[in-house]
Amino acid sequence: EVQLVESGGGLVQPGGSLRLSCEASGFTFSDHYMDWVRQAQGKGLEWVGRIRNEANSYTTEYAASVKGRFTISRDDSKNSLYLQMNSLETEDTALYYCARDRTKYSGGRWYVLIDDWGQGTLVTVSS
Amino acid sequence: AIQLTQSPSSLSASVGDRVTITCRASQGIGSALAWHQQKPGKPPKVLIYDASSLQSGVPSRFSGSGSGTDFTLTISSLQPEDFATYYCQQFHTYPPVTFGQGTRLEIK
Repeated sequence: EVQLVESGGGLVQPGGSLRLSCEASGFTFSDHYMDWVRQAQGKGLEWVGRIRNEANSYTTEYAASVKGRFTISRDDSKNSLYLQMNSLETEDTALYYCARDRTKYSGGRWYVLIDDWGQGTLVTVSS
Repeated sequence: AIQLTQSPSSLSASVGDRVTITCRASQGIGSALAWHQQKPGKPPKVLIYDASSLQSGVPSRFSGSGSGTDFTLTISSLQPEDFATYYCQQFHTYPPVTFGQGTRLEIK
């Protein structure tokens, strides 16, 4: 059974930093791309970013709203995904989910699909 | 960025009803669309990928259709556990991955 367990959320002041973790089990973590997605209270889903696997050089992509402030990393030896959040703003207050991706080849190109979600960890940015 | 617009934003229906939710993309995305279900206080769950393929374990009363810019999620006969918020999501082009704003399905 796929399990994704986030941790590290909490209360932080504007301008502060926080590091989220996501521990994976039940699948070969190193094979998969992984995402972070967030959801403000009562709002919709917002993609934060993605990290590819070792075969794709662990490259990352970010939403414009967090680029330059957030960094996604992973440690395949620990089956863990991380989100380092710096220069936090009140607008970053949200429930942060990690999500597992899978890739598929179709029509001459590769696609990346979200196919499982963690339970989420709450980040509150407030003075 | 590709924008996804869902309609309606909210919907009231009764157990046993047939329900359709629409998702429109701002540009063609082929069949690179997924639908996620989110119940209150729970994480999202993947229902459908590739516009019409059912994720493993999802009941057959859920179905998806469409390609290009117009997509639908249909629930053939609503069950009590289906009352939730539904999000479409495109995976044709990133960054960014984008989601629709959500459709809240409520009990009438």
